[in-house]
Amino acid sequence: DIVMTQSPDSLAVSLGERATIKCKSSQSVLYSSNDKNYLAWYQQKPGQPPKLLIYWASSRESGVPDRFSGSGSGTDFTLTISSLQAEDVAVYYCQQYYRPSYSFGQGTKLEIK
Amino acid sequence: EVHLVESGGGLVQPGRSLRLSCAASGFTFDDYAMHWVRQAPGMGLEWVSGINWNSGRIDYADSVKGRFTISRDNAKNSLYLQMNSLRAEDMAFYYCARGDVDYGFDYWGQGTLVIVSS
Repeated sequence: DIVMTQSPDSLAVSLGERATIKCKSSQSVLYSSNDKNYLAWYQQKPGQPPKLLIYWASSRESGVPDRFSGSGSGTDFTLTISSLQAEDVAVYYCQQYYRPSYSFGQGTKLEIK
Repeated sequence: EVHLVESGGGLVQPGRSLRLSCAASGFTFDDYAMHWVRQAPGMGLEWVSGINWNSGRIDYADSVKGRFTISRDNAKNSLYLQMNSLRAEDMAFYYCARGDVDYGFDYWGQGTLVIVSS
């Protein structure tokens, strides 16, 4: 099974500053059949289910603000929030979604400094 | 608008069974794979099981293989999770999620809480 590891576990960033979260997979999630990375990012706020932010490592889901961006390929990925807003306080998860397993990272808790 | 509503959670003794349901609406149910994801209180997300559109491909996490059974009824727009031989470590919120082969899990329900305790 593919193991997803995020860093850091928690992060405090000032409003308006950049937040960067890393995700590393134990094996490549880049599939040669279509040259796509099967890597997604989710945001989960307290008391709510997760919300899809990014798919294919760098494609933004409809309605997601453009301050959220994803990058990376193969085994190393990054979620960047370019200018942190108060409503971005949440836990962020990466996930590889190529069957037969769909493993998540352990999560990164993002707070305001 | 897509809606996923889970039900069937509750308090159950260790070793007993429980069946969760997920009612889907707002999309063509049999166009999509569906998944169950769980989250123990205060912990991270754990994928549990997934089923493709026609039940022809089913996958389970190792932690539930042999104890849990996923199924769906496309005529009723419903997803199910039969959970047998429940353990304390199965206690969690259980979410159903719509799975898109290209986009990941794009819609989630609000979850139903399963408490395993004597």
